Amino acid sequence: QVQLQESGPGLVRPSGTLSLTCAVSGGSITSSKWWSWVRQPPGKGLEWIGEISHSGSTSYNTSLRSRVTVSVDKSKNQFSLKLNSVTAADTAVYYCATAGAGGHFDYWGQGTLVTVSS
Amino acid sequence: QPVLTQSSSASASLGSSVKLTCTLSSGHSGYIIAWHQQQPGKAPRFLMKLEGSGGYNKGSGVPDRFSGSSSGADRYLTISNLQFEDETDYYCETWDSNTRVFGGGTKLTVL
Repeated sequence: QVQLQESGPGLVRPSGTLSLTCAVSGGSITSSKWWSWVRQPPGKGLEWIGEISHSGSTSYNTSLRSRVTVSVDKSKNQFSLKLNSVTAADTAVYYCATAGAGGHFDYWGQGTLVTVSS
Repeated sequence: QPVLTQSSSASASLGSSVKLTCTLSSGHSGYIIAWHQQQPGKAPRFLMKLEGSGGYNKGSGVPDRFSGSSSGADRYLTISNLQFEDETDYYCETWDSNTRVFGGGTKLTVL
C-alpha cells in the first residue's frame, strides 16, 4: 500500500515561496497514478491545487495556475509543490494525495500546516 | 467544469440511518464521484467510488454500514446503524480530464 509523507517549512513569509515535498513509499512514482496536492484552510473545506501524472503532464486549479508548479523527482521517489507570491490566504494544511486507475484519490498523506505570516 | 453541492450539516440519532447527498451540476449528471471521510485533525480517508448507475466500490476496511446509491445528478452516502465515531465531516470528489473538484463538505452530528 502506498504511503505519502509531506515535509517542508511550517512558516513562510508573505510574498515568499511555499515549497513542500511528498515522499512516496510502498510504490513507485513512475507507476500509473496521478500525484496531487490538496489544501484545507483552517475550519474550511478541501481545495485541489494541482497534480502531475506518471507521464509528467501537469494540471492546475485555474485559480492558482499562475503561481503553482508541481514536479517529480524520480531519483528520490517524491514529488513537490511550489506556490509563489503567498499571502495569508494561503495559510492551510497541505496534503499530498494520489489517484489511481479508478480516477479518485485513494491515498492521502497526513498533512502539514503551513502558516503565511511575517 | 463540474460543481458539487453538499448540505453543510446533517444529523441523525445513534443507531439510526442517515443519507448524505452530493449533487452534480447541470451537464455533469453522469459523472462518477468518490466519498471521503475526514475525522478532526486527520487526513481524509477514501470511503467509496460511486457511479451514476448506483454501483459502488468501497475502500479497504470500510464497514458494511456504509453504502452508496445514485439518482440522476444526486449521489448518496448512506450510513446505517450510526455510531458516535461516524460524527465527522464527509466530502464528495469528482474529476475531469484536467481538473478535480470537491464538494463543500457535510458535517454529520450523531444525536
